[in-house]
Amino acid sequence: NAGVTQTPKFQVLKTGQSMTLQCAQDMNHEYMSWYRQDPGMGLRLIHYSVGAGITDQGEVPNGYNVSRSTTEDFPLRLLSAAPSQTSVYFCASRPGLASNEQFFGPGTRLTVL
Amino acid sequence: DQQVKQNSPSLSVQEGRISILNCDYTNSMFDYFLWYKKYPAEGPTFLISISSIKDKNEDGRFTVFLNKSAKHLSLHIVPSQPGDSAVYFCAASGGNTGKLIFGQGTTLQVKP
Repeated sequence: NAGVTQTPKFQVLKTGQSMTLQCAQDMNHEYMSWYRQDPGMGLRLIHYSVGAGITDQGEVPNGYNVSRSTTEDFPLRLLSAAPSQTSVYFCASRPGLASNEQFFGPGTRLTVL
Repeated sequence: DQQVKQNSPSLSVQEGRISILNCDYTNSMFDYFLWYKKYPAEGPTFLISISSIKDKNEDGRFTVFLNKSAKHLSLHIVPSQPGDSAVYFCAASGGNTGKLIFGQGTTLQVKP
């Protein structure tokens, strides 16, 4: 099992550009989440999904879109990148709502100039 | 509004001594609490958890204590080892969404 994989590892964008951060898991987990990590702020929840076709907002959803067309994939889209979105992004998955232990991917470091 | 708070950004202890990391929460709906450990350039990894029906959970050198009346939990590491040097995040969940909310993290340095 590869676990949770994220691509790319690093990305530099210009303000206003769009991109998609990819996340995939091969553990057949129903529940997936996206977090961003910023100094002094910890890990903040952006969006989450309790299963294919179902997504919902977390603590800091503005500027991000998600979709969940398959159980395996949970991409995060930045439609118009802003410098405030410079951060390290982590995707996580867990078996389901009743399971609290999440498995994290290695992260994507994004810089917006 | 930070629902989970770790008020100590950093902690330094000597190898072999006890490390105590603290976490406070404000939402009384939280009923499950977890600690994660994170090394640089890696994703967080699960360390230990506790349900709100317990006040203590132990796993080897790691013990988590929960004080529900004070809305406070702590992680004890005994004895501390240099390999324990990392950022520790506490997290909480509750309600029917299953959202896991994290604190700001505490950087632990264990000196040889």
